Amino acid sequence: GENVEQHPSTLSVQEGDSAVIKCTYSDSASNYFPWYKQELGKRPQLIIDIRSNVGEKKDQRIAVTLNKTAKHFSLHITETQPEDSAVYFCAASIGSNDYKLSFGAGTTVTVRA
Amino acid sequence: DTGVSQDPRHKITKRGQNVTFRCDPISEHNRLYWYRQTLGQGPEFLTYFQNEAQLEKSRLLSDRFSAERPKGSFSTLEIQRTEQGDSAMYLCASSLEGSSVVQYFGPGTRLTVT
Repeated sequence: GENVEQHPSTLSVQEGDSAVIKCTYSDSASNYFPWYKQELGKRPQLIIDIRSNVGEKKDQRIAVTLNKTAKHFSLHITETQPEDSAVYFCAASIGSNDYKLSFGAGTTVTVRA
Repeated sequence: DTGVSQDPRHKITKRGQNVTFRCDPISEHNRLYWYRQTLGQGPEFLTYFQNEAQLEKSRLLSDRFSAERPKGSFSTLEIQRTEQGDSAMYLCASSLEGSSVVQYFGPGTRLTVT
């Protein structure tokens, strides 16, 4: 099955700095890559996603890049704010089935004021 | 609140007991998913429904687990003869088949087996 590895497991940044989280996947057929943010005790919420036919996508301070050849994708958060503190999960579709996702183990991001 | 809802939010049970959880998806969503999340890990796929049909089950889903979605709306997940290893957060998600495949998660049911 699909194996998604996520690094780092924890990330501490100064407010205003950028945060980068990287994920790799193993299934070359994967074509959908969402990122979820989960605050303590709350449900995972989608923050951005990308399909395999696109190399980069931006939404305000958040961007995702995808390198299909290398099978890795990254989340970039610029101008971090305290409310960005949360656990972030990357995921990849298992094969070309966009309904079945394999998640990374998560990155705990702490933004220091 | 028109998002995905789950009930109960917390369940404490003794080993060997049966438990049942309910998920109500977003009303127009025809796809429904169950995931399990343990501490420090990402959600793990358990099973998936399209309308009332259960189309896929993970190998993680032992014979003690059964899920239903009888009318293509809400879904139940039952765990029989619970074991301590079943302790986890059980998340439900829903999506609408089509160009947008975003999965919207519910708040989860936290199960503790003592």
